[in-house]
Formats: sequence, C-alpha cells, structure tokens
Amino acid sequence: DGGITQSPKYLFRKEGQNVTLSCEQNLNHDAMYWYRQDPGQGLRLIYYSQIVNDFQKGDIAEGYSVSREKKESFPLTVTSAQKNPTAFYLCASSDRDLRTSGANVLTFGAGSRLTVL
Amino acid sequence: GESVGLHLPTLSVQEGDNSIINCAYSNSASDYFIWYKQESGKGPQFIIDIRSNMDKRQGQRVTVLLNKTVKHLSLQIAATQPGDSAVYFCAEKGTGGFKTIFGAGTRLFVKA
Repeated sequence: DGGITQSPKYLFRKEGQNVTLSCEQNLNHDAMYWYRQDPGQGLRLIYYSQIVNDFQKGDIAEGYSVSREKKESFPLTVTSAQKNPTAFYLCASSDRDLRTSGANVLTFGAGSRLTVL
Repeated sequence: GESVGLHLPTLSVQEGDNSIINCAYSNSASDYFIWYKQESGKGPQFIIDIRSNMDKRQGQRVTVLLNKTVKHLSLQIAATQPGDSAVYFCAEKGTGGFKTIFGAGTRLFVKA
C-alpha cells in the first residue's frame, strides 16, 4: 500500500541536541511538506519542497533544516536553535496535479512526537 | 495576511444527529478549500474538498457548503457516529501555490 512513513513515532531529546525526523513516501508525489502541530492549534508549515534538490521555508522555519536528495525522502532536522521544539511533527506529500488548478490534497504520515527534556 | 479560523473549538452531538462544523477564511482570492479529519495520535486525513466556483459538494454522509460572500464554509456530517469523533480542520489553498493554510480545528465529541 502506498503511503507516508514517519519515524520515530516518539522521540526524547535533551536541550542542545539536534535530532532528525525521517519521512519517506512511496506515492511518487512531487511535493513534500513538514508541519508542526501544538495542542489546540492548527498545523503550521515549517518547510516544503516541490521537487528534488529544492525546498522553501514555510512560516516557522527558524531552528529547522531539511534536505531533499531523493524524491521519496524529506528528513527534518530540529536543531538546538529551535527554542521550543516539543511538538507533534507531521510530514505530508501531494501530487502536483496540473490538470486541476487549485487542487492540492495532502496525504499525511502518522506523525512524530518530539519531547525535549 | 491569510488566515483560516473556526467558530467553535469543541462540538458535542448525540449519536445519530447531524453535525455542523463551521469555518471562516480571510483570503477572498483562495480558490480551493479542504476539510481534514484527525483522529487522536494520527495524521489528518482528507474528507472532502470544494472549489471556489461551487457552493455545495456532497460526499458520503458529508456535505461542504461554501459562502463566498461572507467567506464561510461548513462541514455537515449526517447521522453522526462514534467513529466521527475527531478534530476537524478546514484548510485553504493559499496564494503561495503549494501552501495549504490550516485553521485551528474543531474537536467533535459524539455521545452514545
């Protein structure tokens, strides 16, 4: 079955440490995204990538970094510069459907919950 | 700037009743809207979408209504079931091409 796999599901980090969250998709989607979700809030965009070797900052990119070396993979690194990294992180992908302008349905992974101790 | 918001943070309905979840958006240029359902501990899942050239779209037990005059959309769930308990997000396709902007979400509780 096609889908998005995020790992690890739970991660604990000490202050000052960098951590990398994995996101892999086998949907052959061009675009991939990272969102952050805090309790009682909507999803906020961290980074997105429309094509391999290209990515753009979202609304809250400070303290995060990404890479897109392969179409299937879009890992997110939470650096020590991120002041409040404890959150639920969601990876998503979408098919760039040029036939239906406006449409952009996101397929999400199950999420990774990061807790800073 | 762009923003998508919801009128109520929680909604409690009796099993079998209809549910209506409301959403307001601010960008009149948005051309595409989506509703997602997120169950506890999982990622959001697509429910239904609607383009700005439509007023209504129906799916299986769900209907989305779009009122562009007041920049409001709603999700109606018919005969609400316990499995419908989740957080529901409305989202709009922003002017940044691939960016999707999410509202804060409404938590739906279904009472047996």
